[in-house]
Amino acid sequence: AQSVSQHNHHVILSEAASLELGCNYSYGGTVNLFWYVQYPGQHLQLLLKYFSGDPLVKGIKGFEAEFIKSKFSFNLRKPSVQWSDTAEYFCAVNAPNNNDMRFGAGTRLTVKP
Amino acid sequence: GAVVSQHPSWVICKSGTSVKIECRSLDFQATTMFWYRQFPKQSLMLMATSNEGSKATYEQGVEKDKFLINHASLTLSTLTVTSAHPEDSSFYICSASHPSSPLHFGNGTRLTVT
Repeated sequence: AQSVSQHNHHVILSEAASLELGCNYSYGGTVNLFWYVQYPGQHLQLLLKYFSGDPLVKGIKGFEAEFIKSKFSFNLRKPSVQWSDTAEYFCAVNAPNNNDMRFGAGTRLTVKP
Repeated sequence: GAVVSQHPSWVICKSGTSVKIECRSLDFQATTMFWYRQFPKQSLMLMATSNEGSKATYEQGVEKDKFLINHASLTLSTLTVTSAHPEDSSFYICSASHPSSPLHFGNGTRLTVT
């Protein structure tokens, strides 16, 4: 079964700093990859997803992620964070022929104004 | 160990029957639980937000009479798919949260309606 690892539990940054959140998965086959964000008190929102094609995926709010197949990684990046990016970020993976989705434990991002 | 237990992990039922899925928070009190559904080759879709002791808030397009949600206690929310049909076959996942606790997910339930 696939699993997802997020390396950082809590990241604290100042505004305008660059962000990279790590995500690794363990699954040998083709996968679909997702990054979700949960703002305080709200439900999950999709930031971006990778199904196939260009491994560099652009998402909403200036986020992007790069799929590196050889490293089984799908790290999330943003060049310059804002205070409003304070939230919890979840990486998720599922196989195209398997409807089950697995989430990482999440990374809490705190951006100081 | 898991902090949110979702049961069953998979279920096969006949068309017309009802299926209940349970979502339990094991070591914290979940004031809010979310129910999601994932269609093939798509991301999660929020179905409803379940607050303890009050009626669930359903997203647009989700039939509240078909997908009954009950959040009777701070540790348990249930989703009942009533009169299930093959098009209801999907992966359902819950998440639970508390203001002082991070969001936790269940392992999901794969429902197959024959």
